[in-house]
Formats: sequence, C-alpha cells, structure tokens
Amino acid sequence: EDKVVQSPLSLVVHEGDTVTLNCSYEVTNFRSLLWYKQEKKAPTFLFMLTSSGIEKKSGRLSSILDKKELSSILNITATQTGDSAIYLCAVDPLLGYGNKLVFGAGTILRVKS
Amino acid sequence: GAVVSQHPSRVICKSGTSVKIECRSLDFQATTMFWYRQFPKKSLMLMATSNEGSKATYEQGVEKDKFLINHASLTLSTLTVTSAHPEDSSFYICSAKGGPGVGEQFFGPGTRLTVL
Repeated sequence: EDKVVQSPLSLVVHEGDTVTLNCSYEVTNFRSLLWYKQEKKAPTFLFMLTSSGIEKKSGRLSSILDKKELSSILNITATQTGDSAIYLCAVDPLLGYGNKLVFGAGTILRVKS
Repeated sequence: GAVVSQHPSRVICKSGTSVKIECRSLDFQATTMFWYRQFPKKSLMLMATSNEGSKATYEQGVEKDKFLINHASLTLSTLTVTSAHPEDSSFYICSAKGGPGVGEQFFGPGTRLTVL
C-alpha cells in the first residue's frame, strides 16, 4: 500500500528559528512529490518536486527531493508567526489518469513571537 | 496559480436533508477533480476521483450512494451529501487538475458542513 510519512507531527519554534520538515514515502511508482501549506482553509501549493537533488526555492522556503532515500525536506528559514500552519506532503504515485495524491498526516508548525 | 472555487463555504443543515457542494475551476479546464474530507487536525482523506463525463471512482469505504458526485463539465463538479447525519459533519475540500501527467492539484477553499 502506498504511504507517506511526515515528521515531526508537530513542532513549536520561536520567530527567527530555522525549521526542517521531513517527508518519506513508499510508493509502487513515483511521479512527483508536492508540498502544501494549510492554514484555516484548504491547502495552498508550495512546491512540486520531480527530480532528485534539485532545490526549489521560494523566499524563505526551500525544498529538495532525494529519490534514493525516498524522502524530501522542506526548510523554512527565519520563521515568522505567519508560517504557523499545517504543512502537508503528498506523493503522486502514477496511478493511471487520475493522478490521485497520497497525503501524509501533516506537520503542525507553530511559530511563537 | 490556477483558481478553484467552492460553494457554499459553510452550510448548516438538519439531519436527513441533502446538501450540494459545488467545485469550479475558474481559469482552466479541469479534466479531473478530486473530493477530500478532512477531520479536525487530521490530513486530507480522498473520497473520490471525478473525471469529466464519466462516473466517479470512489475510495474504499466511501458510500457512493451517500456521496453523489457529478462532473458534468470541464469546470464544474458537484458533491451531494444525501440524507446527511451528524457524523457527516466535516470539512469537504475539492481539488482540480488540468490534465494527465505531471502537474499540481489546485485546491478549493473548502466547505464546512455541520449537520444538526
């Protein structure tokens, strides 16, 4: 069965800290790995990773995929209170046309001021 | 990124009634739409995959007669919760994808359903 595991499940840091969120996966086939940020409403897209070793960056957020280790990390530097959210990792396991995603349980991040 | 809307954003209904939730892709054609359910502080649970013009594919354990999905056009999918009960109260989220192959899903803002 395809599965995605995220760690830690929750994290509390102070503003200015750097955090690293982890995602590991076991899927029969792999097409891409996606990171989403969820605040009070639905998830918003952060990154999609398909190739190993290529870092994607957006402001203070960055992410990289390691296909050998079947994992990805999401880094957030100089955290702000607005970064408080649930961060979801999902894998597209290449299951036919539908491209349904397999989600991890999420990491709840709380940034204290 | 592409925009997906959901309507209504919040609905309160009595037990036994049916509720329809709409999901629209506003600036792209969504060949595939997905319906998720999310419980408090939990991850998204995929309920069904909906391809335009064909029957939805439901995940194991999801009752297709209770959660009716219609994907009549490339920009609209609807989820109808029939004979709703309090245990159906949840946050329902749709997402849409423009086509096969590599590509991200874009999520709607979600619908909070409360069944009294």
